[in-house]
Amino acid sequence: SSELTQDPAVSVALGQTVRITCQGDSLRNFYASWYQQKPGQAPVLVIYGKTSRPSGIPDRFSASSSGNTASLTITGAQAEDEADYYCNSRDSSGNHVVFGGGTRLTVL
Amino acid sequence: VQLVESGGVVVQPGGSLRLSCAASGFTFNIYTMHWVRQAPGKGLEWISLIDGEGTTYYADSVKGRFTISRDNSKNSVYLQMNSVRTEDTALYYCSKEHSTGWPNLDCWGQGTLVTVAS
Repeated sequence: SSELTQDPAVSVALGQTVRITCQGDSLRNFYASWYQQKPGQAPVLVIYGKTSRPSGIPDRFSASSSGNTASLTITGAQAEDEADYYCNSRDSSGNHVVFGGGTRLTVL
Repeated sequence: VQLVESGGVVVQPGGSLRLSCAASGFTFNIYTMHWVRQAPGKGLEWISLIDGEGTTYYADSVKGRFTISRDNSKNSVYLQMNSVRTEDTALYYCSKEHSTGWPNLDCWGQGTLVTVAS
């Protein structure tokens, strides 16, 4: 399968921890990357590789993976974390990129 | 590091257009470049990539209609869009792979809007 599946929406109370998941067969062989997109803005890479964060991304963002599921965890969610989050990876062939459908995170 | 897309227009179904992406601030010729689109109110959809040597890959949804190319002398990547359909209406982003390789995309332009309508 070349699909990545994400829950459409997740909510978290301010300061609490939230996990956003991404499922797909290709994740058994390839890491997922994670992107944050706020309204009217381009996506921003927040996690790549196994658990790496680009410069400037707060350390409250972390990632993990098990089997066909990758997870993005935000520990101590802030109001500014409210956004759409997308995972991506290579597809099973390794020659294409596939994105998950996105998860809208609401911080209550 | 900056990517600036251009070329988005209103085009009729079946028509053609070419998108451009001008890159600056990095050694362009060694990085794989990607086009990703986002239909209004929808998620991200990967379209195509071209590596530094010119190898290309396409999503099934555009294969045979779209062509990606690059001009390393101009630090630019292009997307030739032929036989466009209403479902091609989207904001088209140019993006650059991270130094660890794709699909990690660490720089994105602001996008150029393509509207396919009669």
